[in-house]
Amino acid sequence: GAVVSQHPSWVICKSGTSVKIECRSLDFQATTMFWYRQFPKQSLMLMATSNEGSKATYEQGVEKDKFLINHASLTLSTLTVTSAHPEDSSFYICSAPLGRSNQPQHFGDGTRLSIL
Amino acid sequence: AQTVTQSQPEMSVQEAETVTLSCTYDTSENNYYLFWYKQPPSRQMILVIRQEAYKQQNATENRFSVNFQKAAKSFSLKISDSQLGDTAMYFCAFMKPNLPQGGKLIFGQGTELSVKP
Repeated sequence: GAVVSQHPSWVICKSGTSVKIECRSLDFQATTMFWYRQFPKQSLMLMATSNEGSKATYEQGVEKDKFLINHASLTLSTLTVTSAHPEDSSFYICSAPLGRSNQPQHFGDGTRLSIL
Repeated sequence: AQTVTQSQPEMSVQEAETVTLSCTYDTSENNYYLFWYKQPPSRQMILVIRQEAYKQQNATENRFSVNFQKAAKSFSLKISDSQLGDTAMYFCAFMKPNLPQGGKLIFGQGTELSVKP
């Protein structure tokens, strides 16, 4: 069964609204989770590292105020796309490493975000 | 910074034949992991195979094997006896071990593999 649950799997919303995506580790604690973004027919690009109890670490070029990350517990990280616009439409996917050696990496099933 | 390059955007192979997907990477690290992930149309990320850089022996998983050339920074995937279910996008990925600095996956551009009946 899935060890990382991501919700929702698909969301459609109007431009200007905020959307929250949840990434939950099942049966294990994840002090660190990763958020990736994937455009159609392209690769996964790391957006940020979510750290439990502290601020997220964002990759260069990722707007912190646009993509808010909260890792309030050892099993849950959330990504909020604020004031979403059509260019934010994409596939977002999270992963959580198991153990300090990062092995294995478990991926959520992803969230398809469509902004109208 | 690490980079991963997959120079084959698309590949096709006949069912039951063998195909090799190429991957090169650049890093100054000595200890790291390399992975091949499969992403079918469902977009679920499925781990195919992994290789620890300190191990000289090439990893194998049933029909999947790698040719890891550390000095050349090359990590190719060989799929034997290709099956229709192997049709997917394949990503090569690099990872430094150990949090907090490690754990991030750096992906190549991907190779779209089509297995034809």
